[in-house]
Amino acid sequence: KAGVTQTPRYLIKTRGQQVTLSCSPISGHRSVSWYQQTPGQGLQFLFEYFSETQRNKGNFPGRFSGRQFSNSRSEMNVSTLELGDSALYLCASSLGQGHDEQYFGPGTRLTVT
Amino acid sequence: AQSVTQPDIHITVSEGASLELRCNYSYGATPYLFWYVQSPGQGLQLLLKYFSGDTLVQGIKGFEAEFKRSQSSFNLRKPSVHWSDAAEYFCAVNPGSSNTGKLIFGQGTTLQVKP
Repeated sequence: KAGVTQTPRYLIKTRGQQVTLSCSPISGHRSVSWYQQTPGQGLQFLFEYFSETQRNKGNFPGRFSGRQFSNSRSEMNVSTLELGDSALYLCASSLGQGHDEQYFGPGTRLTVT
Repeated sequence: AQSVTQPDIHITVSEGASLELRCNYSYGATPYLFWYVQSPGQGLQLLLKYFSGDTLVQGIKGFEAEFKRSQSSFNLRKPSVHWSDAAEYFCAVNPGSSNTGKLIFGQGTTLQVKP
């Protein structure tokens, strides 16, 4: 069974631009969660989607948004990029119950200049 | 607020020595507990999990962890460390709600293995 895939793996953007990251979950998984990882703040929960609905949201500004499609693939969007948005963005998928294991993708490394 | 604390930011052990990585959580009820490992430039790999039942859980790569309710701890152990175990280790908590997969992570512990 293929793992969680994320595209692109690396991205360089300029301040003020917007960016879209993509995540394809493991086949059969209905929940997709997004995390931001930075050296200073560690791993922080962004949001979770389940059956195309946002089920939970972390404490991030509205510039961070996401969506999930009927095939469970998910995208996250960051508008008006700031230097502080430079991070590794990780996507995780699970079957959907809260206690299910989450399987992580390799991440997208976003650099904002 | 729920939180996870990993007191040791960096640990160095010799190859073949035993390892214990500490994790403490703050939550009223028994949460769902996880340990993940991250190698440089990689995503997170699940080592083991605790939901209920036996408080000593076995994971992959020879790791085990023990849940101690009285100490709010979930420490990760390995009897004999291999050089390939050098990585960053994260303890995580799901507060236990059935309708969310949100994980709260500790700050991580970087493990260095000396030859």
